[in-house]
Amino acid sequence: QLQLQESGPGLVKPSETLSLTCTVSGGSISSSSYYWGWIRQPPGKGLEWIGSIYYSGSTYYNPSLKSRVTISVDTSKNQFSLKLSSVTAADTAVYYCARGAVAAHIDYWGQGTLVTVSS
Amino acid sequence: EIVLTQSPDFQSVTPKEKVTITCRASQSIGSSLHWYQQKPDQSPKLLIKYASQSISGVPSRFSGSGSGTDFTLTINSLEAEDAAAYYCHQSSSLPLTFGGGTKVEIK
Repeated sequence: QLQLQESGPGLVKPSETLSLTCTVSGGSISSSSYYWGWIRQPPGKGLEWIGSIYYSGSTYYNPSLKSRVTISVDTSKNQFSLKLSSVTAADTAVYYCARGAVAAHIDYWGQGTLVTVSS
Repeated sequence: EIVLTQSPDFQSVTPKEKVTITCRASQSIGSSLHWYQQKPDQSPKLLIKYASQSISGVPSRFSGSGSGTDFTLTINSLEAEDAAAYYCHQSSSLPLTFGGGTKVEIK
């Protein structure tokens, strides 16, 4: 059974960089049939796709966040990571890592991690 | 960007009642529409893929229909455990987008 687990600081100061890692277990992150992505959910609100990375290393980001987002993968550790720079209070959210089938549904989600942006 | 508009935002329903949630896309997305259920403090769970395809382990009272721009999630004979938020999601084009969600409350 595939499992995804987010890790990283739960509190980030304004203007700093949010960094999260997703560790994948029970399967390989190198599969060509899937992408690995980040999705966030502000408290009490809906879901927002942040971006995805494919086995080829290609990345795609939400245009609304593109200038601040970097997603990378470390196949040796079966992990992928998110960096979001210049954060503000509006970036406070539960951040989920997830696996999606290419051009299809998201079939596995991490449990989510709350990141609060505050001084 | 494809905008997904869900309705209603909120629905209060008695057990055994039928629930219908709609999702309208701002442009045609074929059948690239998926539905998720999110219970409080949990991550979303896939309910229906490609508009109408069932998912193993999901109760048969959940069904989906539609294509193009108009889609429907139906919950037949609502049970107490179905209290949750429901989201539609399109994978037709980037950026991937989600509907605003529909919260279903049990009366």
